[in-house]
Amino acid sequence: QKEVEQNSGPLSVPEGAIASLNCTYSDRGSQSFFWYRQYSGKSPELIMFIYSNGDKEDGRFTAQLNKASQYVSLLIRDSQPSDSATYLCAVGGSQGNLIFGKGTKLSVKP
Amino acid sequence: GAGVSQSPSNKVTEKGKDVELRCDPISGHTALYWYRQSLGQGLEFLIYFQGNSAPDKSGLPSDRFSAERTGGSVSTLTIQRTQQEDSAVYLCASSSTRLTAFYEQYFGPGTRLTVT
Repeated sequence: QKEVEQNSGPLSVPEGAIASLNCTYSDRGSQSFFWYRQYSGKSPELIMFIYSNGDKEDGRFTAQLNKASQYVSLLIRDSQPSDSATYLCAVGGSQGNLIFGKGTKLSVKP
Repeated sequence: GAGVSQSPSNKVTEKGKDVELRCDPISGHTALYWYRQSLGQGLEFLIYFQGNSAPDKSGLPSDRFSAERTGGSVSTLTIQRTQQEDSAVYLCASSSTRLTAFYEQYFGPGTRLTVT
């Protein structure tokens, strides 16, 4: 059974700080990795995807992938209160679906 | 352009009744997925359609659940003889079949199902 693990949090950071969210996955053969943001009562929104080892930057967001260690992380620079949400890590499954972690709740305090 | 749309947004039904949930994917997306999210739980994969191919039903929790996709576009998820444990938010997602975008799934707003 392929699994994706995340710390449920809550992770609390002050406004302007860097928020670091981590995720580990069990299937060494996984090739595609995603971060979704989910506001309370809303559906998941795709914010980052990464397929290769290393870093990928998009604005204030950086996704980091280390396949040897089977972890993927998301860094949010200059965190804003509007970043407060649950962040879901997902890994591409063999059936074309995504396998999701249960999410980390992030709270950015003004 | 328009995103994934789902209807109804909310559905309250009595235990034992059948319900139908509808999903209209992003135009041009050939892959369509159904997930459900129970309170405090992660997203659970239900079923996957790729174009007009037979769907992958491996995630359906019981034979009370079925889904179809007409004309490679709109999909309907049907739950027969609903049970209280079926209460959840049912989410539909779609993605392109371009290789680099295959898994980049975009979600609709969901249907919140409550079985009383």
